Amino acid sequence: GQNIDQPTEMTATEGAIVQINCTYQTSGFNGLFWYQQHAGEAPTFLSYNVLDGLEEKGRFSSFLSRSKGYSYLLLKELQMKDSASYLCAAIDSNYQLIWGAGTKLIIKP
Amino acid sequence: GAVVSQHPSWVICKSGTSVKIECRSLDFQATTMFWYRQFPKQSLMLMATSNEGSKATYEQGVEKDKFLINHASLTLSTLTVTSAHPEDSSFYICSARGLASSYEQYFGPGTRLTVT
Repeated sequence: GQNIDQPTEMTATEGAIVQINCTYQTSGFNGLFWYQQHAGEAPTFLSYNVLDGLEEKGRFSSFLSRSKGYSYLLLKELQMKDSASYLCAAIDSNYQLIWGAGTKLIIKP
Repeated sequence: GAVVSQHPSWVICKSGTSVKIECRSLDFQATTMFWYRQFPKQSLMLMATSNEGSKATYEQGVEKDKFLINHASLTLSTLTVTSAHPEDSSFYICSARGLASSYEQYFGPGTRLTVT
């Protein structure tokens, strides 16, 4: 079956760095998304990786290893507004998004 | 670009009535639209996938007669919750995938439905 695993919850300190991991098992693979979702709001796009390696975009970076079925989202210089759920989603061979359950990130002052 | 709107943003209805939620792609043509449901503190649950001009494909466990989906044009899809019950109260989110992109889904802001 198809499966996405990510931690349920993480806590970090304002100004610090946090890495949110995601492992996936899908029928075929056409890339992986990271979305941010604040409580009561719809998800917003953060990143898309289809090739191995690190993609950096400001304070956020996303890494992919296709051979390991593994990705992570790295958040630097954490701000209180980064408190949200972070959703990992892989695209299977039918171009369907397979969603993880999300990681709730709590930022403490 | 790539803006998706939903209407209404929130709705309260009485048990037994029907509610229609609209999802529009404002600046692109959406060949495929997706409807999700999200209960508090839970992840997105895909309900159905709809392609313009054809019948929606429903996920296992989603009643097609209860959740009617229409995707009549490349910019509009509607979800009608028929004979709503309190357990249907949830956050309903649509997303759209355009012609130019095979992968990314652009999300609407969501509709919070409360059935009393």
